[in-house]
Amino acid sequence: AQKVTQAQTEISVVEKEDVTLDCVYETRDTTYYLFWYKQPPSGELVFLIRRNSFDEQNEISGRYSWNFQKSTSSFNFTITASQVVDSAVYFCALRVGGGNKLTFGTGTQLKVEL
Amino acid sequence: DTGVSQNPRHKITKRGQNVTFRCDPISEHNRLYWYRQTLGQGPEFLTYFQNEAQLEKSRLLSDRFSAERPKGSFSTLEIQRTEQGDSAMYLCASSSDSHWLDTQYFGPGTRLTVL
Repeated sequence: AQKVTQAQTEISVVEKEDVTLDCVYETRDTTYYLFWYKQPPSGELVFLIRRNSFDEQNEISGRYSWNFQKSTSSFNFTITASQVVDSAVYFCALRVGGGNKLTFGTGTQLKVEL
Repeated sequence: DTGVSQNPRHKITKRGQNVTFRCDPISEHNRLYWYRQTLGQGPEFLTYFQNEAQLEKSRLLSDRFSAERPKGSFSTLEIQRTEQGDSAMYLCASSSDSHWLDTQYFGPGTRLTVL
């Protein structure tokens, strides 16, 4: 069985601070895919990034960066110089190779204040 | 390029009534998924279609739930004899198996309230 743990329920930061959202996953499959989605107050899940189990390269996209470490089964997400518009619930998700469903964590509510 | 659309966006019903939700996937996507999300939780998988075939169903999908995708395009999710525990956001997602990334893109959801 697969499991995704997002231990941080809620994080509050002041604008321009850096913030890291943690994600720990569990799976026995050797091929799997990890995702981050953003859910703003409007409710729609917005895809941010996908990572394959065989590619441990970290990735940076503008103010967003992701740190994938198989040794610790973690796929953490960092927002640099946070902005109020980053306020949302962020979900980490896992899909195993050959499978179809996404297994989501419980999400981290990020609040960025002025 | 239109995204995934869902109708209605909100539905309020009385316990015991039947409700039906519709999902229109991204036009070139042949895979379609339904998820349910309750307050403070992440989405939970309900069912999956490849074209018109329903290939996987979660044990969360009780006998009162039925999903169809008759022509491999839009899908409907019906809940019969609704219960208060069915109150949730119902999310639809689609993806394409012709694209190696096969990333699921989500619609805005249908929020169901059962009184």
